[in-house]
Amino acid sequence: EVQLLESGGGLVQPGGSLRLSCAVSGFTFSSYAMSWVRQAPGKGLEWVSAISGSGFTTYYADSVEGRFTISRDNSKNTLFLQMNSLRAEDTAVYYCAKDWTSGYVEYFDYWGQGTLVTVSS
Amino acid sequence: DIQMTQSPSSLSASVGDRVTITCRASQSISSYLNWYQQKTGKAPKLLIYSASTLQSGVPSRFTGSGSGTDFTLTISSLQPEDFATYYCQQTYNTPPNTFGQGTKVEMK
Repeated sequence: EVQLLESGGGLVQPGGSLRLSCAVSGFTFSSYAMSWVRQAPGKGLEWVSAISGSGFTTYYADSVEGRFTISRDNSKNTLFLQMNSLRAEDTAVYYCAKDWTSGYVEYFDYWGQGTLVTVSS
Repeated sequence: DIQMTQSPSSLSASVGDRVTITCRASQSISSYLNWYQQKTGKAPKLLIYSASTLQSGVPSRFTGSGSGTDFTLTISSLQPEDFATYYCQQTYNTPPNTFGQGTKVEMK
């Protein structure tokens, strides 16, 4: 059974940092790209960042470029999102998602339950 | 970036109704369009990928169609468990993977 379990969310002041983790099981982690997707309270889904299976290639949304860093530890089946210089507009539930990709065909077939990040003074 | 626009933003329907949700891309995305269902407080769930391919385990009352810029998600006979918010997502020009703003299906 595929499982993704996020952790690390919480309340942080503007300008602060937070590191999210996503522990996965049930599939060969290193074979798949992974993404982070967030959802602000009452709003829609926003893709945040993605990383290749090897970890060598990363992508970011313009809204987080330069502030967030995605990484992975394939030996521990864990995905990370280091979030620095946090802003109020980063407040959201953050989901990790398994990324199935083949050419242009791409979809998120498994998601974690989400972890809430609140940026407020 | 490619913009995805869903319509309507919300709709009210009854059990047994046929429901259609539309998603329009700001430029052609061929058939690289996915649909997700999200229930309140839960993670999204993949329903359909590549515009019309049903994800394993998803009931056949869900169908997707379209190509280019215009796509539809149809629920042939709405069931109580289908009341949720539905999102489209394009994967033709990434990053970023862009989602539509969502369509909330509510009980009439």
